[in-house]
Amino acid sequence: GAVVSQHPSWVICKSGTSVKIECRSLDFQATTMFWYRQFPKQSLMLMATSNEGSKATYEQGVEKDKFLINHASLTLSTLTVTSAHPEDSSFYICSARALSTEAFFGQGTRLTVV
Amino acid sequence: KQEVTQIPAALSVPEGENLVLNCSFTDSAIYNLQWFRQDPGKGLTSLLLIQSSQREQTSGRLNASLDKSSGRSTLYIAASQPGDSATYLCAVISGGSYIPTFGRGTSLIVHP
Repeated sequence: GAVVSQHPSWVICKSGTSVKIECRSLDFQATTMFWYRQFPKQSLMLMATSNEGSKATYEQGVEKDKFLINHASLTLSTLTVTSAHPEDSSFYICSARALSTEAFFGQGTRLTVV
Repeated sequence: KQEVTQIPAALSVPEGENLVLNCSFTDSAIYNLQWFRQDPGKGLTSLLLIQSSQREQTSGRLNASLDKSSGRSTLYIAASQPGDSATYLCAVISGGSYIPTFGRGTSLIVHP
C-alpha cells in the first residue's frame, strides 16, 4: 500500500509556543488530506479536510486560528498548533488520499504541552 | 451525517478463542470500509479494506464481512493470540464526501 509519513512522531513543547507537524505522501499524489485528533480512549475526531492549493475546511468546533493547516503541494500538508496550551496535548493523525477513495494514514504525532 | 458504532467497547479473552468484532454505520451509501489496528500510543495499521461492492475480505486469521444494506461489518479473528491485543477501529468512507468516519474502537486483550 501507499506510504504516508508523519513527522515528528512525538514532540514536547512549552506552553505558548507553536508546533508544526508534517504529513507527506511518499509514493503518490495526495489530492486530499485529513487531520484527526484522538483523545485518550476515544475515537479519531476529524479536525479538517484540506485539498491541495485550497484553504482547509474545518469541522465545527475546531479553531482555525489555533490549528493552521497548509496543503501547498500534492505531497505535503502541515498542521501548526499555534500558542499551544496543555489542553492541546493529544495524538494527531493525518490521512491522505489520491483519486481513489482509499485513505492511507500516517503513524501519528504525540503532542505534549508542558 | 455518518455515525459509526463499534460493539463491544472492550473484550478480554483467553488465547485461542475465535472472536467477532462488530461495526455498524447509519448511512449505507458508502464507498468502502476499513478495519485498522492501533497499538497503545501508536498510529494506525490497516488490516482489511472492503469495497462497497464486496462482501468480505480475508487476510491470514482475519476475515471481514460487509452487509451494506443493513449497515454492518464484522471482523472475525480466528485462534486469537496475545499479540492480537490492541484496539481495533472501523472506518467508513461515505459517498460524496470521501471522508473516513471512525468508530470508537474495540479494545481487545488476549491473555495467555
